Amino acid sequence: QSALTQPASVSGSPGQSITISCTGTSSDVGGYNYVSWYQQHPGKAPKLMIYDVSNRPSGVSNRFSGSKSGNTASLTISGLQAEDEADYYCSSYTRSTTLIVFGTGTKVAVL
Amino acid sequence: QGQLVQSGAEVKKPGASVRVSCKASGYSFSSYGITWVRQAPGQGLEWMGWIISYNGDTKYAQKFQGRVTMTTDTSTRTAYMELRSLRSDDTAVYFCARVVGRNDDAFDIWGQGTMVAVSS
Repeated sequence: QSALTQPASVSGSPGQSITISCTGTSSDVGGYNYVSWYQQHPGKAPKLMIYDVSNRPSGVSNRFSGSKSGNTASLTISGLQAEDEADYYCSSYTRSTTLIVFGTGTKVAVL
Repeated sequence: QGQLVQSGAEVKKPGASVRVSCKASGYSFSSYGITWVRQAPGQGLEWMGWIISYNGDTKYAQKFQGRVTMTTDTSTRTAYMELRSLRSDDTAVYFCARVVGRNDDAFDIWGQGTMVAVSS
């Protein structure tokens, strides 16, 4: 099972909006509405930001939103803030024997 | 709110086994599964498998089949992950996390991570 494909890096200025893509196949992202997004600061555990494509857990800022079209899921961060600088990983349920696959990860830089 | 606290760092020789523990508090342990995810130095996240806390049913990623065992002890609210026949490329931080989502596909509470170094 190959990792989902994410851009290595995305950057933006404070206040701007950025979008991170997560591309898979019809066996994972495209086949199920079970995509999650995680934020990870250096040396820290990941934090769940979005689950089931577009749902935000309690306590997560509404500046974070998720969507999906075909085999590609997206995470949008609006009103970019310095604290958003981190690595972001998508994950998806997959039809393969390995039930969960993560994305390659995207480093978000706030310029 | 819930919290998961993992055991401390380990250094192992190639061929050895390691067992990492993950103690839950602040939520009904038996009502949620526990998953294990690892992250090699400077690398991304890798799903290893999960266990249903109340009945011990497990599902392992194909890559780890035959080499990993996940268990839970509901009396102590603790999950365990044992990895055998360690190799240098098993050097990583190992995380446990609580499983949520409509299809047990998301992980909302994470342990702090346990560094496992494999070196001769």
